[in-house]
Amino acid sequence: DTGVSQNPRHKITKRGQNVTFRCDPISEHNRLYWYRQTLGQGPEFLTYFQNEAQLEKSRLLSDRFSAERPKGSFSTLEIQRTEQGDSAMYLCASSSGTSLSYNEQFFGPGTRLTVL
Amino acid sequence: EDQVTQSPEALRLQEGESSSLNCSYTVSGLRGLFWYRQDPGKGPEFLFTLYSAGEEKEKERLKATLTKKESFLHITAPKPEDSATYLCAVHFYAGNNRKLIWGLGTSLAVNP
Repeated sequence: DTGVSQNPRHKITKRGQNVTFRCDPISEHNRLYWYRQTLGQGPEFLTYFQNEAQLEKSRLLSDRFSAERPKGSFSTLEIQRTEQGDSAMYLCASSSGTSLSYNEQFFGPGTRLTVL
Repeated sequence: EDQVTQSPEALRLQEGESSSLNCSYTVSGLRGLFWYRQDPGKGPEFLFTLYSAGEEKEKERLKATLTKKESFLHITAPKPEDSATYLCAVHFYAGNNRKLIWGLGTSLAVNP
């Protein structure tokens, strides 16, 4: 399968616990994005990497959220001290492109987070 | 204010009943408009990219068009398997900043 993969697909955790999600992008794509989506809403941008560099981070993202993309391959998104408001679908997408282009993004299946 | 608005929020069609979904935008410096399909519990699936007014793209029963202020996704003779949420996203430049704004989507249900 050459698409974007995400693990786990579902995560249930208790408030205050830390969680980490993984995304494996399409291998030839240099860009990787993280989004959050709640029911009835479009994807909400969280952060974006070009290769291993984190180039943009949403102002809405609190300090409890951190993302890494070591070696420009897979990426992890960690949420510390989870809150019930963090319950959502976390989507990862990848794309190719240069600094001047914004090519179509290809999404993974998402990780559904439920914070009890 | 830069905005992307999709309408209607929800649409119910009978199988074979053609219709159009709308994505209107109030941004300057458009660089591209993307259409995606999203099934419940899954990530969005890329459909089309449109770059300039007058451009059209087709895929099976779907046809996307673009004007200077809006895009339409035409669905011809839809089938129940076309039921999904259709999202549009607009890429534009605000000053030196590159931005992508997503609409809230149109939820389409096609009854057999």
